[in-house]
Amino acid sequence: AQTVTQSQPEMSVQEAETVTLSCTYDTSESNYYLFWYKQPPSRQMILVIRQEAYKQQNATENRFSVNFQKAAKSFSLKISDSQLGDTAMYFCAFMKRNTDKLIFGTGTRLQVFP
Amino acid sequence: DAGVIQSPRHEVTEMGQEVTLRCKPISGHNSLFWYRQTMMRGLELLIYFNNNVPIDDSGMPEDRFSAKMPNASFSTLKIQPSEPRDSAVYFCASSIGTGRTGELFFGEGSRLTVL
Repeated sequence: AQTVTQSQPEMSVQEAETVTLSCTYDTSESNYYLFWYKQPPSRQMILVIRQEAYKQQNATENRFSVNFQKAAKSFSLKISDSQLGDTAMYFCAFMKRNTDKLIFGTGTRLQVFP
Repeated sequence: DAGVIQSPRHEVTEMGQEVTLRCKPISGHNSLFWYRQTMMRGLELLIYFNNNVPIDDSGMPEDRFSAKMPNASFSTLKIQPSEPRDSAVYFCASSIGTGRTGELFFGEGSRLTVL
């Protein structure tokens, strides 16, 4: 069975600074996807970034980038130039290829301060 | 596009009552998911459907929970009888269902409180 672990329950960062959220996972699969989802106070889950395990290049989406270390089964999210609107819960998630089953970590609550 | 629509947004009920949560997925999406979110257990996948057929219901906690998808545009999650420990936010999500993208589109959730 796959598991996703987020060891940081809470993080805080000052506006315009950079913050990194950690995620590790455990799987015996070789083909899979990893995701970071954001849940703002409005409660709705939003996809932030997606990484395909067979791609060595780290995914980036504007201010968001990942550090994907396949051998170490690590998938961290870096948020650059943090903004107040980045305040949210962030969930790391795993999906085995050719399934639709998304397994979430327990989340990291990020607070961005002015 | 209207997105995934869930109702009700909030439900307060008494222990023993039947609760029905409803979901309308995004048109054209083939997979539908029900998740439960609590402080203690985080986001748990309860069940998911592909082309209206239940694929994996291993997350359904017990027989008091049931889910149906009678057609491509509607699904229900029913709890009968409800218990205080069922209090949670229940999310419905849908996806294209190819197993290649992994992007789920979530509704705003239904917050259930069982007294």
